[in-house]
Amino acid sequence: ETGVTQSPTHLIKTRGQQVTLRCSSQSGHNTVSWYQQALGQGPQFIFQYYREEENGRGNFPPRFSGLQFPNYSSELNVNALELDDSALYLCASSNRGQGVTSPLHFGNGTRLTVT
Amino acid sequence: DAKTTQPNSMESNEEEPVHLPCNHSTISGTDYIHWYRQLPSQGPEYVIHGLTSNVNNRMASLAIAEDRKSSTLILHRATLRDAAVYYCIPYPNTGNQFYFGTGTSLTVIP
Repeated sequence: ETGVTQSPTHLIKTRGQQVTLRCSSQSGHNTVSWYQQALGQGPQFIFQYYREEENGRGNFPPRFSGLQFPNYSSELNVNALELDDSALYLCASSNRGQGVTSPLHFGNGTRLTVT
Repeated sequence: DAKTTQPNSMESNEEEPVHLPCNHSTISGTDYIHWYRQLPSQGPEYVIHGLTSNVNNRMASLAIAEDRKSSTLILHRATLRDAAVYYCIPYPNTGNQFYFGTGTSLTVIP
């Protein structure tokens, strides 16, 4: 089975710009979650998508938005980038059909630097 | 959401057992206890989870206290590849987000 893949692996953007990060779920998984990880911190939940709809959101402003596609892949969009948005962005897929405690399978993330 | 307390860091000698503690005294009765680890430059990796009984898998064992206020992740023989940050996460069975905290950074000494 193929694992979770994220693209790009690294990205440099300027403050005020917009960015789109992409994630392909592990095969057989129907739920995607996005996390932000600042240096030296644990990952923080941004939001989750299930059946192409947002299914829960963490404490992040509306300029963080997402999409899930029929093939369960997903995008994270961030508008009006701020310096504090510099972080590792992690995508995780899981299968709600196995119950809500289905383990998350993470990709290796996209390292975003905002200058 | 239940708060967790883990040591910031621990050391272990290679090929010796490691016991990683976690205190989750505010856990609710239906929260599962999940453990993940994150190796350098990688995303977190699922290790194990349980509700009340002790659990074993090929990676580790999870010992859950009878009152469920604490748990211990046991690596039976630490290898250099086990050097990682280990996160203990109470997770409600109706939830959709994991609160990772800052975890325990495990150093394995050759």
